[in-house]
Order: sequence, then C-alpha cells, then structure tokens
Amino acid sequence: KQEVTQIPAALSVPEGENLVLNCSFTDSAIYNLQWFRQDPGKGLTSLLLIQSSQREQTSGRLNASLDKSSGRSTLYIAASQPGDSATYLCAVRPWSSNTGKLIFGQGTTLQVKP
Amino acid sequence: DGGITQSPKYLFRKEGQNVTLSCEQNLNHDAMYWYRQDPGQGLRLIYYSQIVNDFQKGDIAEGYSVSREKKESFPLTVTSAQKNPTAFYLCASTPSYVTATSVEAFFGQGTRLTVV
Repeated sequence: KQEVTQIPAALSVPEGENLVLNCSFTDSAIYNLQWFRQDPGKGLTSLLLIQSSQREQTSGRLNASLDKSSGRSTLYIAASQPGDSATYLCAVRPWSSNTGKLIFGQGTTLQVKP
Repeated sequence: DGGITQSPKYLFRKEGQNVTLSCEQNLNHDAMYWYRQDPGQGLRLIYYSQIVNDFQKGDIAEGYSVSREKKESFPLTVTSAQKNPTAFYLCASTPSYVTATSVEAFFGQGTRLTVV
C-alpha cells in the first residue's frame, strides 16, 4: 500500500532563506508526483507536476526533484518571502491505480517571517 | 478563465439531513473526483468518475452519493448515514487518465461542511 510522508510537519524561517521541503513515498511505481500549495481555508493550487520519467521541474523560484529509486521528492524554494507562507502538499499517482487517484501526504506548514 | 467552481463555500447541516455540494468545471476534463480533508489527515478519496454516467467508490464512500449526468458537473450528496460529516470537501478534475500524457489534477476552492 502506497504511503506518502512529509517531513517536517511545520517549518518557520526568516525571509530570504532558501529552504527544502521533503516528501517520501513507499512504492516507487508511480505515474507522477504533484506538489500543491494550500492557503488556510482554501483549495489546492498546483505548483509542479513531475512525470515518472523526469528528474526535476522548475517554475520561478520553485524547483521540485524526483528520485523514484529512493522514493523521495524535494521542493526547493529560493529566496523565501512572507507570501510563501502556506501548507505544501505532495501527492503521488500510483501505477497500480487506473483511476487517476492521488495519494497525499499530510503536508508541511511553512511560515516565512518578515 | 478555466477552472473548478465549488458551491457553497460554507454549508451547515442539521442532524438527519441530506445536503448536496456542487462542483462544476469548464476545463473539458473527463475525470472528476471528490476528496475529504480533516485536520491532521491527508486528503482521502470519496468518489471518482472517469466518464459521464459512470462513477466509482473511493476509500471512504460510505454515507455519500454522487451523480455524473454531465461532463461539467459532479455533485456530492452527504446523506444522513454519514456519521461524521464535518470536514472540508474538495472537488478535483483531470484529463482522461487513459488518453492524456500529462495528468495534472486541478482543485476547486472547497466547501466547509459543519453539522449543527
């Protein structure tokens, strides 16, 4: 059974720091991995999608990497800003699923202090 | 702008009532999903639909029902059989899992349901 874990559960950093959020999954047979951002009381905003054949994806100050063999993905945020404060969720789509279902981690809540 | 619209944003349910959450998408996606989010837990799949007039149970379907009469719409009914319905409900859509090369999921803004 696929399980997704995100560590740490919460993170507080000063503005301007570069930071890394971690996501691990137990079964390397995945179709893709997706990183989301969630603001309090809001829905999920897709940040980056990495296909199983890719090693990384970049969007602006965000860079996500994928290492299927070790069951890990990282989300790198460069030059963090207070506006980056949110909960970040990673989710995998298992190869075994023909439904498009996503398996989510519990998220990392990030606070960037001015 | 293309996207997913969920309504209402807040919903209050009395004991024994059925309530329906709306989800509409204009992304021309074939597949739609309902997830439930509880504090301290990851999102859990309630129901999903890969095509019009077809839907399947997810991991926690008990006490819920859905319909998919139109490609754009996937309403979720929370029935009185759902013993603990207070949660944040999120609707999502994707291109067809079978035909698309990049299956990116998009989510709505959510509906917060509270039992009063």
